[in-house]
Amino acid sequence: GAGVSQSPRYKVAKRGQDVALRCDPISGHVSLFWYQQALGQGPEFLTYFQNEAQLDKSGLPSDRFFAERPEGSVSTLKIQRTQQEDSAVYLCASASRQGPSWEQYFGPGTRLTVT
Amino acid sequence: AQTVTQSQPEMSVQEAETVTLSCTYDTSENNYYLFWYKQPPSRQMILVIRQEAYKQQNATENRFSVNFQKAAKSFSLKISDSQLGDTAMYFCAFMKESGYALNFGKGTSLLVTP
Repeated sequence: GAGVSQSPRYKVAKRGQDVALRCDPISGHVSLFWYQQALGQGPEFLTYFQNEAQLDKSGLPSDRFFAERPEGSVSTLKIQRTQQEDSAVYLCASASRQGPSWEQYFGPGTRLTVT
Repeated sequence: AQTVTQSQPEMSVQEAETVTLSCTYDTSENNYYLFWYKQPPSRQMILVIRQEAYKQQNATENRFSVNFQKAAKSFSLKISDSQLGDTAMYFCAFMKESGYALNFGKGTSLLVTP
């Protein structure tokens, strides 16, 4: 079946603009994660959903970041009033269950450049 | 908080040779999981190998194997018979037993040359 897909693959935003990044997880996957990967760094956890419930948003860098998964499938990461430090690749991952026993499948990422 | 350290930013190996990527971590947890992920230039991260800390036996997946030293908090990845398709960024990652978020190192860029 299809893997995790993300759109757009590339996004250029002017500082101060709002952006919305979409993640389509593998069908039926309960868990969904967002990670932020700055240039030359490993991915860093942003937030975690189990179905439609956002169980952990401790990694979101500021209140300008907001994520949702209203129907327990597609998720959107929204960044308001983008800043240059928001430039990064945003990775989405999904897993069929919760916990470490279940492999996280990653999407190709959205590369956000804020100018 | 857990920290994962990959001390080799870049490595190079010739095709068919063996290479070892290093990873150390710091945790006060007794039970946890360790992972190696591969991120090719297309950027889709894929799981290479996984190790449960409570298992003494080192995990192996075809040409990929790990050397897990729990007391030393070391988790290295050995790639045997390297292939050109192994060229990628390799990330070591940690997860608490009760957790769900992966905690990644900064990665090692591996180049396999003909």
